[in-house]
Amino acid sequence: GAVVSQHPSWVICKSGTSVKIECRSLDFQATTMFWYRQFPKQSLMLMATSNEGSKATYEQGVEKDKFLINHASLTLSTLTVTSAHPEDSSFYICRGETSGAYSYEQYFGPGTRLTVT
Amino acid sequence: AQTVTQSQPEMSVQEAETVTLSCTYDTSESDYYLFWYKQPPSRQMILVIRQEAYKQQNATENRFSVNFQKAAKSFSLKISDSQLGDAAMYFCVINTNAGKSTFGDGTTLTVKP
Repeated sequence: GAVVSQHPSWVICKSGTSVKIECRSLDFQATTMFWYRQFPKQSLMLMATSNEGSKATYEQGVEKDKFLINHASLTLSTLTVTSAHPEDSSFYICRGETSGAYSYEQYFGPGTRLTVT
Repeated sequence: AQTVTQSQPEMSVQEAETVTLSCTYDTSESDYYLFWYKQPPSRQMILVIRQEAYKQQNATENRFSVNFQKAAKSFSLKISDSQLGDAAMYFCVINTNAGKSTFGDGTTLTVKP
């Protein structure tokens, strides 16, 4: 099956700094990338949807200036958490989809654990 | 808006026994896909089984099978001959042609040796 990688898998940063998370589709073209955050023992919460070459669409309550999403190519999407604070500590997961696949195939990245101290 | 309800936050099963995880959903779409995902402690989402809504036949994958009742909007997962490696959080997910997935709150499955 198709593979999505995420880097880094775990990152610790100091409060006030920014951190970038990369999500790469290794063997397919991800025309759409979804970004989720997940708190311990909870479900995945959709943060934003990005289409290659377009601005991301953010879910209600998600600060677009804080969580910057770039989807400049069909194989790479990035999530930058700007001026991170301890409450941003969470598990972030990306999911890629190929246009025309009608959401039958879902490709999740392995996730990134962010800890803000 | 579509919703997915998993009414069992936690379930436990004895090794080698059978367990059923429940899921109900609501959607106005007539065409959609349903999934069960497993999330072990590594937190990688692993596809367990999927079902196309237009197919009446229930999907099966080795020890995993579903009971798909479209009219009742029910999509339960049966795990037979449970193994220690089945211990994980299980999510029921619906996907429509709009591309957005809606996740249930998850069921944490414990397998007792």
